[in-house]
Amino acid sequence: EDQLVQSGGGLVEPGGSLRLSCVASGFIMGSYGVNWVRQAPGKGLEWVSYISGSSSYMYYADSVRGRFTISRDNPKNSVYLQMNSLRVGDTAVYYCARSTGYSSGYYHFDNWGQGTLVTVSS
Amino acid sequence: DIQMTQSPSTLSASIGDRVIITCRASQSISGWLAWYQQKPGKAPKLLISQASSLESGVTSRFSGSGSGTEFALTINSLQPDDFATYYCQQYSSYYTFGGGTKVEIK
Repeated sequence: EDQLVQSGGGLVEPGGSLRLSCVASGFIMGSYGVNWVRQAPGKGLEWVSYISGSSSYMYYADSVRGRFTISRDNPKNSVYLQMNSLRVGDTAVYYCARSTGYSSGYYHFDNWGQGTLVTVSS
Repeated sequence: DIQMTQSPSTLSASIGDRVIITCRASQSISGWLAWYQQKPGKAPKLLISQASSLESGVTSRFSGSGSGTEFALTINSLQPDDFATYYCQQYSSYYTFGGGTKVEIK
């Protein structure tokens, strides 16, 4: 069964940093683009970032551009989200989600991780 | 940026009902629309892509329709497992989700 397993959430102070990880099992992560999507407590879904299969294309939402960096390590079947200069408004459950495409362009998401909570608070 | 407006935000229905959730895009997205179901504490689950293509393994009680700016998700014969929150998502240009529709038990 294709699965995405996430780790790395937690409590961090405003201005701090955190790195989220997303590891694939049951399929080759490098064959797919991967996204990060977040959901603030009691709110809807917000797309955060995308990375293509070969890391040639990376996209960011305006709300995180310049603060968050997406990356991947295909031999480790993993995708990461480095989050710097965190704000209270970044508090959310963060999901990684597999794209049905590999390269540039836009695709729907067919497989999601279990989510990890990031809390930014002093 | 493309905005997605879902309605209603909450829907109360009974077992066996037919429910329709609508999603409107601020500009044409052709058929680049997906629908997801999310239950409390769980990740979203893909139901439909390209506006009307049912994901493998998803019950045929779900169907999608529309193109351009107006879309709908229909659930026929509502079952207990269908009570959840539903989101539309455009993937024509970057990604935007609708605000969600919570389907509650009447």
